[in-house]
Amino acid sequence: DAGVIQSPRHEVTEMGQEVTLRCKPISGHDYLFWYRQTMMRGLELLIYFNNNVPIDDSGMPEDRFSAKMPNASFSTLKIQPSEPRDSAVYFCASSSNRGVGQGRSGANVLTFGAGSRLTVL
Amino acid sequence: LAKTTQPISMDSYEGQEVNITCSHNNIATNDYITWYQQFPSQGPRFIIQGYKTKVTNEVASLFIPADRKSSTLSLPRVSLSDTAVYYCLVGDLRGGSQGNLIFGKGTKLSVKP
Repeated sequence: DAGVIQSPRHEVTEMGQEVTLRCKPISGHDYLFWYRQTMMRGLELLIYFNNNVPIDDSGMPEDRFSAKMPNASFSTLKIQPSEPRDSAVYFCASSSNRGVGQGRSGANVLTFGAGSRLTVL
Repeated sequence: LAKTTQPISMDSYEGQEVNITCSHNNIATNDYITWYQQFPSQGPRFIIQGYKTKVTNEVASLFIPADRKSSTLSLPRVSLSDTAVYYCLVGDLRGGSQGNLIFGKGTKLSVKP
């Protein structure tokens, strides 16, 4: 498996423009997560899906951010309009419902993509 | 959510064993302990997960005392390439806790020659 695939790897845009980040999860994984990482705030969970359905979007900063998962193999995170403070690295991660831990079946283990570095000027 | 506390940073030298301890006093019965490693410009990568006692894989060992209120990640004979940020997460999404999705500040490990 090629792992979690994100695109674009880098994007530079101007304030006010629409930004769309894309993610292809690992085949067979039924959870998909979007994170944002900055030096100041660390790694923040924005939203996650289970079986293509958004479960918790409480981490989405504001209405300018939206995420969709039209099918099991594709998700998008959209920012419209973008602002300089949105500059960050955005990670997508996916997980199976089967864990890897000892005892019971273990907790979800996340596999991350390489990230999309966004710069808003 | 089980709050986790780990040192902000640690220094070590090549060839030494490194132990990073994470405190999680309010861990719940269903919670697992999961550690990730993150290199600069990369996403976090799973290292090891455990529920109790000791777990060992090809990369690290995880020691969990009987009360499960802390855990220690042990990296044997570190090399320069082990310089990274290490995160301790506690929870189990399928058990009703999102703690295993929440990354704190982590521990920045610096390995020197």
